[in-house]
Amino acid sequence: DAGVTQSPTHLIKTRGQHVTLRCSPISGHKSVSWYQQVLGQGPQFIFQYYEKEERGRGNFPDRFSARQFPNYSSELNVNALLLGDSALYLCASSSQGAPYEQYFGPGTRLTVT
Amino acid sequence: GENVEQHPSTLSVQEGDSAVIKCTYSDSASNYFPWYKQELGKRPQLIIDIRSNVGEKKDQRIAVTLNKTAKHFSLHITETQPEDSAVYFCAASRGANSKLTFGKGITLSVRP
Repeated sequence: DAGVTQSPTHLIKTRGQHVTLRCSPISGHKSVSWYQQVLGQGPQFIFQYYEKEERGRGNFPDRFSARQFPNYSSELNVNALLLGDSALYLCASSSQGAPYEQYFGPGTRLTVT
Repeated sequence: GENVEQHPSTLSVQEGDSAVIKCTYSDSASNYFPWYKQELGKRPQLIIDIRSNVGEKKDQRIAVTLNKTAKHFSLHITETQPEDSAVYFCAASRGANSKLTFGKGITLSVRP
């Protein structure tokens, strides 16, 4: 089975632009969570989706939004990019059978200039 | 909300020695405590976890202990090897399908 996949791997954007990051969970996993990892810090929770519904939201501004599709893949959107949005964005998925454990994708490295 | 703290921030051990990494948490409702290993440029990898209904869990050279009263949990690595060198994150959550709150991470260096 393939693990969690994310695209793109790397992205460079300019301040004020918009970005869309994509995530495909492990086959059979219905829950997807997004985390932001700034260099030298632990991942910080942004959103969680389960069965296409938002189940949780972290302390991030409204410029951040997300959605989950019928095939359980997910998109994270960030509008009006700031320099401080530069980070590794990680997606994690979990299954109904083991809903505690979250497995991470390789992340998307976003650089805002 | 939950606050997870890790200490020390860096740890250096000689190959073959044991390493212990400690974390504390603040939310008494947290009941799931995973540990992740992240090598440079790679994804966080779940290496072991523990739920609040047990006090200790072992998997080969690694073990995790939990003290719910004191709200702290620890990762123990025995017979350390150079490939154990990485950043280790502890986390806490309130359970199934709940967000993970991470500590800041500890850089473990194993000297050959």
